[in-house]
Amino acid sequence: EAGVVQSPRYKIIEKKQPVAFWCNPISGHNTLYWYLQNLGQGPELLIRYENEEAVDDSQLPKDRFSAERLKGVDSTLKIQPAELGDSAVYLCASSLRQGLTDTQYFGPGTRLTVL
Amino acid sequence: AQKITQTQPGMFVQEKEAVTLDCTYDTSDPSYGLFWYKQPSSGEMIFLIYQGSYDQQNATEGRYSLNFQKARKSANLVISASQLGDSAMYFCAMREGGFGNEKLTFGTGTRLTIIP
Repeated sequence: EAGVVQSPRYKIIEKKQPVAFWCNPISGHNTLYWYLQNLGQGPELLIRYENEEAVDDSQLPKDRFSAERLKGVDSTLKIQPAELGDSAVYLCASSLRQGLTDTQYFGPGTRLTVL
Repeated sequence: AQKITQTQPGMFVQEKEAVTLDCTYDTSDPSYGLFWYKQPSSGEMIFLIYQGSYDQQNATEGRYSLNFQKARKSANLVISASQLGDSAMYFCAMREGGFGNEKLTFGTGTRLTIIP
């Protein structure tokens, strides 16, 4: 079974430029998450989707960040315009509730560098 | 207050020895889940083990076991017979509340280095 796929793996842009990250969750997983991981820290949730619906976006900086999950499968996270402080790893995860567990499985992440 | 505390920024362990990574948590919710993830230098977060707050027994998965002490609010990860491939960052995480609250809160991690 294929895991969570993310692209690109690395992205270098200049500040004020737009950038987009793509995520394909594990097949059949209805819940999708985007996390931000700063250097030396644990991941922090940006947004969570249940199918097509964003059910928790309280930590998403909506002035510059946006996300979508069309058709309840793939998702795209966008930053426009990017700032120096956005340099981090952006992780996508997915989960499927089975019995008493709801383990989140993560992709390899996209490492963003803003110059 | 920090919800997840990992007090060991780094650990060095001899190959084949057992290692314990500490994790304490803070929640007032009676229903919660505790997770451990491994993050090698490649960046991917790899799920290792899960413990539910109502589970009567400590979770085990191969060489990984979770020493769950509910009264002390600790959920330490034990790796038996460590291998060179165990060198990585290890994160403890908690989900508070029952299902429908799938947000994970992570600790700051412990960098484990296995010495040959």
